[in-house]
Amino acid sequence: QKEVEQNSGPLSVPEGAIASLNCTYSDRGSQSFFWYRQYSGKSPELIMFIYSNGDKEDGRFTAQLNKASQYVSLLIRDSQPSDSATYLCAVMRGTNAGKSTFGDGTTLTVKP
Amino acid sequence: EAQVTQNPRYLITVTGKKLTVTCSQNMNHEYMSWYRQDPGLGLRQIYYSMNVEVTDKGDVPEGYKVSRKEKRNFPLILESPSPNQTSLYFCASSSGTGGKTQYFGPGTRLLVL
Repeated sequence: QKEVEQNSGPLSVPEGAIASLNCTYSDRGSQSFFWYRQYSGKSPELIMFIYSNGDKEDGRFTAQLNKASQYVSLLIRDSQPSDSATYLCAVMRGTNAGKSTFGDGTTLTVKP
Repeated sequence: EAQVTQNPRYLITVTGKKLTVTCSQNMNHEYMSWYRQDPGLGLRQIYYSMNVEVTDKGDVPEGYKVSRKEKRNFPLILESPSPNQTSLYFCASSSGTGGKTQYFGPGTRLLVL
């Protein structure tokens, strides 16, 4: 079992729809959770981070964390073609801060 | 401009020929890290550094060395590269541990023949 697993893609949604990206992790000691976006041929860039259970909203993006179930999700509302990218879930372990584990990524395509 | 720079951006080399990929950041960040990205395997952490002279292994450290003698620089050394180290390498930095934003460099694409 991988330490960080993301729902297999690719994911395709029509413009204006909600895109839902999911991630589960195995280390219960994990304390910090991140979503990065990576356009083809580019570097990852941070979209959201979340530390506490519940929802965190930033514009069209909402991150959701449930530590009991060990999952974190990213919702993208009103999806735009410019959101088409690979989304990477990353987890930072609480007992060894600095060590990061990434999921394999989910490729999202938003069709006009 | 705040940035992480890597050099070279592209490198073709042969098995066993030592090479160094440099990474430099101008944001006075304490934390720096190296990752490799391979198709189907995502981003995997090679080494990270919490501060000058403090480094630790990530998930795939075999075949790599790092050093952190200055805060701004974190070079990645492949003393005897092998074809399985052909990959896309990213350096990243952040202002602290525990979840601060990681800023990634542009990447170095390495081919080992």
